[in-house]
Amino acid sequence: DAKTTQPPSMDCAEGRAANLPCNHSTISGNEYVYWYRQIHSQGPQYIIHGLKNNETNEMASLIITEDRKSSTLILPHATLRDTAVYYCIVRVLDQGGKLIFGQGTELSVKP
Amino acid sequence: TAGITQAPTSQILAAGRSMTLRCTQDMRHNAMYWYRQDLGLGLRLIHYSNTAGTTGKGEVPDGYSVSRANTDDFPLTLASAVPSQTSVYFCASSEGFWANVLTFGAGSRLTVL
Repeated sequence: DAKTTQPPSMDCAEGRAANLPCNHSTISGNEYVYWYRQIHSQGPQYIIHGLKNNETNEMASLIITEDRKSSTLILPHATLRDTAVYYCIVRVLDQGGKLIFGQGTELSVKP
Repeated sequence: TAGITQAPTSQILAAGRSMTLRCTQDMRHNAMYWYRQDLGLGLRLIHYSNTAGTTGKGEVPDGYSVSRANTDDFPLTLASAVPSQTSVYFCASSEGFWANVLTFGAGSRLTVL
């Protein structure tokens, strides 16, 4: 399996950019990187995904290194409502494409 | 609001009893999934369905069964519950099995005593 490694927790000041790193050194060439987040005990929420190029949407930006062994999720202006557990996931194509959720990073946005 | 409805929200169940967790989606998504979430273990895939009439096993299928009689419904059944099945269960769906975006329900908290 292409596994991911994330720091267990991070803090960020409200209004500042939150940069969440993820290592996926065993990723294969055709495997996408996905980011989801889970607020409190709600169901996970999709944020963004990418293959090789950097991606941006209304929620966040995803920066993938050229060798694809790591990526960074950027929340440009973090708010208190962004406090959540953030999961970096590699979709495993040789196992039916299922999403393997790791432990995630618990982001705390502080006033 | 369109999405996924799970029921019950929470349930306490005696060991050995059977239980069906219900999941209904109104987005006409082809693929549906059941995950369980346990502290320290993240979310693990139990069963999935690529389309109505088909199902497949995920990472932790033992003790669970599913059916997909139509597009909208994907119930998860515990035939004889055991305490290790105490968990929070999330149902999810996507347009297709290879689709990028999964929509999750709010979860069902099950306690087996």
